[in-house]
Amino acid sequence: DTAVSQTPKYLVTQMGNDKSIKCEQNLGHDTMYWYKQDSKKFLKIMFSYNNKELIINETVPNRFSPKSPDKAHLNLHINSLELGDSAVYFCASRDPNSPLHFGNGTRLTVT
Amino acid sequence: AQRVTQPEKLLSVFKGAPVELKCNYSYSGSPELFWYVQYSRQRLQLLLRHISRESIKGFTADLNKGETSFHLKKPFAQEEDSAMYYCALKNTGFQKLVFGTGTRLLVSP
Repeated sequence: DTAVSQTPKYLVTQMGNDKSIKCEQNLGHDTMYWYKQDSKKFLKIMFSYNNKELIINETVPNRFSPKSPDKAHLNLHINSLELGDSAVYFCASRDPNSPLHFGNGTRLTVT
Repeated sequence: AQRVTQPEKLLSVFKGAPVELKCNYSYSGSPELFWYVQYSRQRLQLLLRHISRESIKGFTADLNKGETSFHLKKPFAQEEDSAMYYCALKNTGFQKLVFGTGTRLLVSP
C-alpha cells in the first residue's frame, strides 16, 4: 500500500537512449512533482502538475518531458540521455495543506 | 526570490552531543517551513513543519522571522539520527517547495 511508487528503482542505460520513469500515487493528491537529486545531493524541482496540468516547469532541458495521463500518475520521459542526467529522480505528491510525500527514488545511471 | 540556505554540508558529532542544523531563508511573503530527512537508502520524508510546533524524534525547530531562520535542534544526538537533512520553504502562492542544499549529519559512537 505504498503511497507514492516509482518504477524502476534503478535504471542503467547508455548515452543517447530514451527512457521513462513512472510514478503513481494512491493518496488522492491533486499535485505531483518531479525532483532531481544530483551527485552532491542537491535537490531541485523539475516539474509540477496539478490535476494533469503543468504548473511548474523549471529550467530543465526539453529532452525531459513529463506526462500526466491522470491525476494519480506523473511519468517522466527523457530523450537522448546524457551523462549529466545521471542522478536520483524523486516523484512526490501533495495536497495544498499537506507536506510532500516522496517516492523511493529512481537511480538513473547513464554510461 | 525565495531561497533556502543550509550553510553546512556536513555536521559530525559524537553520540549524546547537542545538534543544531542551520537553515536560513529569504522570502517576502509569509513563510511555511519544513525539515525533511533522508536516511541511507530510504525515501525523503517529512520530519517536522513549523506550523505544527511539534517535536519529532527529539528534534525541534523554531521559526525566527527576525533572523529568517528555522534551525533544527536536538539536545542529545543518536547514531540513528545520521542522515541527510533538508530544510524547505513552501511558496503558498505557487504550491512549490524550495529545498536547501542539505546537511549531512553524521553521529559517531
